[in-house]
Amino acid sequence: EDKVVQSPLSLVVHEGDTVTLNCSYEVTNFRSLLWYKQEKKAPTFLFMLTSSGIEKKSGRLSSILDKKELFSILNITATQTGDSAVYLCAVEASGNTPLVFGKGTRLSVIA
Amino acid sequence: DSGVTQTPKHLITATGQRVTLRCSPRSGDLSVYWYQQSLDQGLQFLIQYYNGEERAKGNILERFSAQQFPDLHSELNLSSLELGDSALYFCASSVEPGQGANEQFFGPGTRLTVL
Repeated sequence: EDKVVQSPLSLVVHEGDTVTLNCSYEVTNFRSLLWYKQEKKAPTFLFMLTSSGIEKKSGRLSSILDKKELFSILNITATQTGDSAVYLCAVEASGNTPLVFGKGTRLSVIA
Repeated sequence: DSGVTQTPKHLITATGQRVTLRCSPRSGDLSVYWYQQSLDQGLQFLIQYYNGEERAKGNILERFSAQQFPDLHSELNLSSLELGDSALYFCASSVEPGQGANEQFFGPGTRLTVL
């Protein structure tokens, strides 16, 4: 059974800190790994990492994928209160299977 | 705004009742996914439709059913509701499954409360 495990479950940091969120996975026929940010409502897409793109960066957020060790990390530098959210990791397998989500990491950034 | 719409935003009902949640995918998206998110759970995949046909099934209870109509909107029907069915129900859409890495766009969700 495909599985995605995120750690930590929750994290409280001060503004300006750098945080690293972890996602490990077990999936048959891996195709891609996706990161989403969920504030009060719907998850919004952050990054997608595939075999052909194992590192992504957007502003203060960056993510890498280690296909050998089966994990990904999401880094957020110079955190701001607006970064407070639940960060979800999901894995897609080939063969038209649905995304499998982890339970998320709840990040709280305090001023 | 993802372009995916869901109605209603909130729904409060009693145990034993039946409700219907509605989702309209983004323009051009053929695939619709339904997820359930409870307080202490991650997103749990329920069911997927592609162009009117059921494509994949997750941990969907027999009391739950869904369909996708010719205009591509989808409905999730929940019957014989129990307290434990209280959750956020999300709909997501994507262009087409199985066509490379597949980004899903999520609707705002329907918060169901069963009293």
